[in-house]
Amino acid sequence: DAGVIQSPRHEVTEMGQEVTLRCKPISGHNSLFWYRQTMMRGLELLIYFNNNVPIDDSGMPEDRFSAKMPNASFSTLKIQPSEPRDSAVYFCASSFKGNNQPQHFGDGTRLSIL
Amino acid sequence: DQQVKQNSPSLSVQEGRISILNCDYTNSMFDYFLWYKKYPAEGPTFLISISSIKDKNEDGRFTVFLNKSAKHLSLHIVPSQPGDSAVYFCAASRGSNYKLTFGKGTLLTVNP
Repeated sequence: DAGVIQSPRHEVTEMGQEVTLRCKPISGHNSLFWYRQTMMRGLELLIYFNNNVPIDDSGMPEDRFSAKMPNASFSTLKIQPSEPRDSAVYFCASSFKGNNQPQHFGDGTRLSIL
Repeated sequence: DQQVKQNSPSLSVQEGRISILNCDYTNSMFDYFLWYKKYPAEGPTFLISISSIKDKNEDGRFTVFLNKSAKHLSLHIVPSQPGDSAVYFCAASRGSNYKLTFGKGTLLTVNP
C-alpha cells in the first residue's frame, strides 16, 4: 500500500525565494496535517484539513506560510519569502476522520534556507 | 508551555531485556495517547495507542500503560531487539480534536 508521499525529499534554496512542499495523502483518508520538526521545538502542528477544508491553522507561524488542499489527493505548503529560520523538516500526515484514528506520516521534506 | 513531556532524551538497554519509555502530560483534557517510532530520514511510524477509558493496551511485544491520576503513560517493549533502536515519540489529543501534541522524543538504543 502506498503511504503518504512527500516531495521533494530535500530542498536547499536561498533566503527570499519561494518554497513549495507537496503532499499526497493515503487514498481514502480525509484528514491531512502539516507538521514542522526543529531541534528547539520538536514536532509542531502547523495546519490541518478535513475533507479538503482548513480547520485549524493556528500553528502557522506567520503570513509567509500558506497551505492549500485543492482536492482529496494533493496538498501544498508554501513559504514566501523564505528565511533561514524556516529551515526544518516538514512532515505531512493523513488519517481517516473520526475519533482515535492514528495519523500516518510521510518521510518529510528537509528544508534548508541559506 | 510543553504539555507533553518525555524527560529522558535517551535510553540504552541490552537485547532481550525490557525497555521502558516514559511520558508525562499536563493537560487533563487529553483522552487519546499514541506512541510513534522514528528512524533517521523517515517519518514517524504509528506504533500503539490507548484511550483514556483504558489503563493498558497490548500489541505483541509492545504494551502501553496509562495512569490518568498521575498524568503519566509508559511504553514497555519486551523483549527488546536491536531493530527497536529508534526515537520514540509520545503524543496526545483531545476527543474529536485531531490535533496531536508531541513530546520531544526519547532515543532508544538496544545493544546486541
